[in-house]
Amino acid sequence: GDSVTQMEGPVTLSEEAFLTINCTYTATGYPSLFWYVQYPGEGLQLLLKATKADDKGSNKGFEATYRKETTSFHLEKGSVQVSDSAVYFCALRGRKAAGNKLTFGGGTRVLVKP
Amino acid sequence: EPEVTQTPSHQVTQMGQEVILRCVPISNHLYFYWYRQILGQKVEFLVSFYNNEISEKSEIFDDQFSVERPDGSNFTLKIRSTKLEDSAMYFCASSGGLGDSDTQYFGPGTRLTVL
Repeated sequence: GDSVTQMEGPVTLSEEAFLTINCTYTATGYPSLFWYVQYPGEGLQLLLKATKADDKGSNKGFEATYRKETTSFHLEKGSVQVSDSAVYFCALRGRKAAGNKLTFGGGTRVLVKP
Repeated sequence: EPEVTQTPSHQVTQMGQEVILRCVPISNHLYFYWYRQILGQKVEFLVSFYNNEISEKSEIFDDQFSVERPDGSNFTLKIRSTKLEDSAMYFCASSGGLGDSDTQYFGPGTRLTVL
């Protein structure tokens, strides 16, 4: 079945540091890929997505590129802020039919210190 | 901006009691979902719902669980006889809006605590 593996945290960074969170997936066909963010005490918010190979999703300074050859969707941000402290979830949605479930990775907690 | 809402934000119940978690999906969406997140663990799919019936469910979604769309706006998850291990954050999501059918939008969650 489908699966998502992402690097374990916590990841602790200083403000303005570069952030990378690795995400790889296993799926049949060509899934859509997502990054969701969960701020402390809140629900899941969509951060960015990519629906086909070589697509780059971007939002709020975060980027991720859909790499079919390496089955990866790594999240990057060039200069993090304290407000980026959150748990980040990589997820995929299979293409078999509309309304398909999301399969999530385990989440990576990021802590940005001033 | 339209959003998914959930009530209550926190529910405390005794083991063996029935609970109903409520969600109001985004109004023009067609697909509805429930997920759960046990503290410190990954988000897990429970069930998806389309056209007034379950379209997919996970192994977690056993006979103790049911979903319903009782009217044009609400989407509910019922747990008939709660167990300690049902304690988790339950998220409702919806998708299928025009021009963005791929993206699931999540509510803020209901934290269920079973004592």
